[in-house]
Amino acid sequence: EVQLVESGGGLVKPGGSLRLSCAASGFTFSSYSMNWVRQAPGKGLEWVSSISSSSSYIYYADSVKGRFTISRDNAKNSLYLQMNSLRAEDTAVYYCARDEIRCTGGVCPHMDVWGKGTTVTVSS
Amino acid sequence: DIQMTQSPSSLSASVGDRVTITCRASQSISSYLNWYQQKPGKAPKLLIYAASSLQSGVPSRFSGSGSGTDFTLTISSLQPEDFATYYCQQSYTEKTFGGGTKVEIK
Repeated sequence: EVQLVESGGGLVKPGGSLRLSCAASGFTFSSYSMNWVRQAPGKGLEWVSSISSSSSYIYYADSVKGRFTISRDNAKNSLYLQMNSLRAEDTAVYYCARDEIRCTGGVCPHMDVWGKGTTVTVSS
Repeated sequence: DIQMTQSPSSLSASVGDRVTITCRASQSISSYLNWYQQKPGKAPKLLIYAASSLQSGVPSRFSGSGSGTDFTLTISSLQPEDFATYYCQQSYTEKTFGGGTKVEIK
């Protein structure tokens, strides 16, 4: 079964740090780009960061640039998000999601597998 | 940055109704547009990718259309399990989600 399982969420004070993990199983992790997407309480979805299969290409939303770092370990089938200088507005459920790019006729990135999410709360 | 605007932000409909949700991009994104469904407390689920391709396992009452800047998600006959929030998302340049459309029971 194709599966993504996030962990590492919790309560942290403003200015603090947290490292999220996402364990992948049931597919060849090293062949896929991966993403982090978050959802603040009662709000919509917000893309946070993406990393290519070999870590050659990394992208961040402006809201987290310079504070968050995405990484992966293909040998461990794992994706990570290091979050530093956390703010109250970073409070959210964080999802990892697989990027499938193949479609008829070419390349069309879409997030086809999602984890259940891990909750991050930033509060004093 | 590409902005995605969905309308309406919410709608009320009855079982069996035809429902249409629109999504507009701030610049042309070709067909790099995906649609997701999310139910409360659950992860998003991919419905449509590349504007009009139905994801495996998704019922055929869901369809997508459009290209360039204007896109549409249509549910041909709303079912009880379709009451949820729907999001569009562009993948032309990085990724951006629309604000969501909550489909509620009338």
